[in-house]
Amino acid sequence: EVQLVESGGVVVQPGGSLRLSCAASGFTFDDYTMHWVRQAPGKGLEWVSLIIWDSGSTYYADSVKGRFTTSRDNSKNSLYLQMNSLRTDDTALYYCAKDRGASRDYVDHWGQGTLVTVSS
Amino acid sequence: SYELTQPPSVSVSPGQTARITCSGDALPKKYAHWYQQKSGQAPVLVIYEDTKRPSGIPERISGSSSGTRATLTISGAQVEDEADYYCYSTDSSGNQGVFGGGTKLTVL
Repeated sequence: EVQLVESGGVVVQPGGSLRLSCAASGFTFDDYTMHWVRQAPGKGLEWVSLIIWDSGSTYYADSVKGRFTTSRDNSKNSLYLQMNSLRTDDTALYYCAKDRGASRDYVDHWGQGTLVTVSS
Repeated sequence: SYELTQPPSVSVSPGQTARITCSGDALPKKYAHWYQQKSGQAPVLVIYEDTKRPSGIPERISGSSSGTRATLTISGAQVEDEADYYCYSTDSSGNQGVFGGGTKLTVL
């Protein structure tokens, strides 16, 4: 059974930094592209980033480009999201999600999310 | 940046057919995928690659696509189908994912 468990969400001040982690199990982690997707309170889903299986390529939404960095450690079955220069509109539930394949297809499994609140 | 457009809400009576549309300029060349999100829960994939249904998804849920519009159809909608539904695709380069704004389906 695919399991994705996010951690690291906290309350942080505007301008601050934070690193989210996602522990994956139940599948061969290094065979799959991974995504981050976020959802602001009461709002819709927003795709944030993806990283190809071999970390060879990463892609970002325009709203986070230059501020967020996605990485992965295949030896630890873990996905990360480094978030810098945080803004109040980054407040959201952040989901770690697995792609259906090794390329850029679509999400087929989701974690339960970790909440990031950016507030002074 | 690329956008997918969905109606904010759709309402039907139990047993009726609900149709939720998703419009985007790249859809003639890119697949649409659909997610169901019930209150307080993570999203669930209900349709992938325009028309395919994952195992465990009821047959009353189906998808289609024509030109710049993809459509999620729920035939004989049930109260348990009440949820927010999101379409997902990528821009023409395939480098950025995008979700539609979501459609709240009410069955009452």
